Amino acid sequence: EIVMTQSPVTLSVSPGEGATLSCWANPSFSTNYLAWYQRKPGQAPRLLIYGASTRAPDIPARFSGSRSGTEFTLTISSLQSEDFAVYYCQQYNNWPPSFGPGTTVDIK
Amino acid sequence: QITLKESGPTLVKPTQTLTLTCTFSGFSFSTAGVGVGWIRQTPGRALEWLAVIYWDDVKSYSPSLKSRLTITKDTSKNQVVLTMASLDPVDTGTYFCAHRPYTDTTAGYYHHWGQGTLVTVSS
Repeated sequence: EIVMTQSPVTLSVSPGEGATLSCWANPSFSTNYLAWYQRKPGQAPRLLIYGASTRAPDIPARFSGSRSGTEFTLTISSLQSEDFAVYYCQQYNNWPPSFGPGTTVDIK
Repeated sequence: QITLKESGPTLVKPTQTLTLTCTFSGFSFSTAGVGVGWIRQTPGRALEWLAVIYWDDVKSYSPSLKSRLTITKDTSKNQVVLTMASLDPVDTGTYFCAHRPYTDTTAGYYHHWGQGTLVTVSS
């Protein structure tokens, strides 16, 4: 089973600033089979990105995903108040699918 | 518009079997490649994938929980049922069902999710 790691655990950001979240897999893989989700308390997880860089429908353009080698990155270009949440990555390159432990983005 | 909603007991005793139902709308199992999966989040732990059932009735389970899980579907009711046997307090958490669109990998990602249902395992 692939174990996902995310960094940092917590990211404190001021509204309007950008944020960069990272995700790695062990063992690593170099395909684009990675998704990102946003989770707010009491709400369903929301798919943001799939295929490492494809935004899901209705996701604002300030969310972008990328892969560099075996490292995956979620970038939020200018945080809005509604973006403060926990973000999870999920690999679907190998069976079974697995999620990272999450990065909490909170208000600085 | 795709929606999913989980239902089931909120409190279950240890050793008992949990039965959760996912009722969905906006898609059907007549579409090739479609699946409905279950994912949970237990306190202090990340999201954990549990099981998935596909349009063709193929089923897959988490290797670590396979012996305890059963997933079935009722196409006429647009429902998916997950049962988990031999419950333990560590199984306490929020259980989600989610729509799995077609992908070219076996694992897949999940696009639309239900709100989740909180299950507490306690005597």
